[in-house]
Amino acid sequence: DAKTTQPNSMESNEEEPVHLPCNHSTISGTDYIHWYRQLPSQGPEYVIHGLTSNVNNRMASLAIAEDRKSSTLILHRATLRDAAVYYCILRVGSSNTGKLIFGQGTTLQVKP
Amino acid sequence: DSGVTQTPKHLITATGQRVTLRCSPRSGDLSVYWYQQSLDQGLQFLIQYYNGEERAKGNILERFSAQQFPDLHSELNLSSLELGDSALYFCASSVGILNEQFFGPGTRLTVL
Repeated sequence: DAKTTQPNSMESNEEEPVHLPCNHSTISGTDYIHWYRQLPSQGPEYVIHGLTSNVNNRMASLAIAEDRKSSTLILHRATLRDAAVYYCILRVGSSNTGKLIFGQGTTLQVKP
Repeated sequence: DSGVTQTPKHLITATGQRVTLRCSPRSGDLSVYWYQQSLDQGLQFLIQYYNGEERAKGNILERFSAQQFPDLHSELNLSSLELGDSALYFCASSVGILNEQFFGPGTRLTVL
């Protein structure tokens, strides 16, 4: 499985945008980029995923570099509820298993 | 609420014992995954079932086993428990193999 690298922690102020980076230099052409987050005392939850183009949904935006070796999860206005561990995960598009391989993730602190 | 239910929420037992963790997937989801989260190892994939059949195995110990029943609920059996098995065990479900996964609230296992 291709590896991802994320900063251990980041801080943000409430109501400001947050850009969470992820490096995946060994990504292959069929790997999808997925983001999950885990709020304190809860199970992980799906945030967003993409392959090549930038993606937007109600939770966040995903910006994917042209060479696909990095991506950025964008929270447009951070709230206190967004304080969580954010995981960037690569999933093989042609795989016959949907297992998620979690790294250490980025712990996001949101300050009021 | 993800729609995935796990029972029990908490389990305290002694070394050498055997326990069963139960997971009910979201209605319509065919795939069930089990993950273990401990402080030192982070979130680790254990095993996946799809429509009753084992699809993938991760770092699952031989003392652990799982199955998915015809009604699609799943059970994770942990036997000859050791102190190091204390962890949060999450179940997740998805419609297909590569769709987003929905995680349950977890079962916290404490082995004394």
